[in-house]
Amino acid sequence: KAGVTQTPRYLIKTRGQQVTLSCSPISGHRSVSWYQQTPGQGLQFLFEYFSETQRNKGNFPGRFSGRQFSNSRSEMNVSTLELGDSALYLCASSFSGTGVSAFFGQGTRLTVV
Amino acid sequence: AQKITQTQPGMFVQEKEAVTLDCTYDTSDQSYGLFWYKQPSSGEMIFLIYQGSYDEQNATEGRYSLNFQKARKSANLVISASQLGDSAMYFCAMREISRSNDYKLSFGAGTTVTVRA
Repeated sequence: KAGVTQTPRYLIKTRGQQVTLSCSPISGHRSVSWYQQTPGQGLQFLFEYFSETQRNKGNFPGRFSGRQFSNSRSEMNVSTLELGDSALYLCASSFSGTGVSAFFGQGTRLTVV
Repeated sequence: AQKITQTQPGMFVQEKEAVTLDCTYDTSDQSYGLFWYKQPSSGEMIFLIYQGSYDEQNATEGRYSLNFQKARKSANLVISASQLGDSAMYFCAMREISRSNDYKLSFGAGTTVTVRA
């Protein structure tokens, strides 16, 4: 059974540019959530999608957005990149419901220069 | 306020010994789940163990066990018979379930474990 796949693994972008990251969840999982990990702030929740609907959003500026497709694949977009957006972006997928675990991808390491 | 507190930034443990990683949590929800993840230097978050707030037995998964003390709001991870491959960052996380069914994890700051040969 394939795990959570995130692409690309590494990305270098320039300030002001925009970037799109992709996440393919485990087959059958309809919930996809995104997290930003930085040395200073740790792991922070960005947003969660279920059946193409955003169910929850973390405390991030509007430059951070996401969407989910009918096949449960998800993308997140960051516009007008800032140096502080350099981070490891992790995607997690799960079944909905209680008592279930989320499984993470290997992450996309974004560097903004 | 921090929902998850991990007070040990780093720990050293001798190979084959057991190590306990501390985690305390803060929630007013009656229904919640507690998780431990391992993050090696490669960056991937690896699920280790889960404990539900209504589970009466402590969770165990192979060499991992979770010491759940609900009244103290504590969910410590015990790794028995440490191996060199256990060297990694370990995160405690919580999902509050009572108010909504969305899937959002709150993470602690993590504990770096280094296993010595």
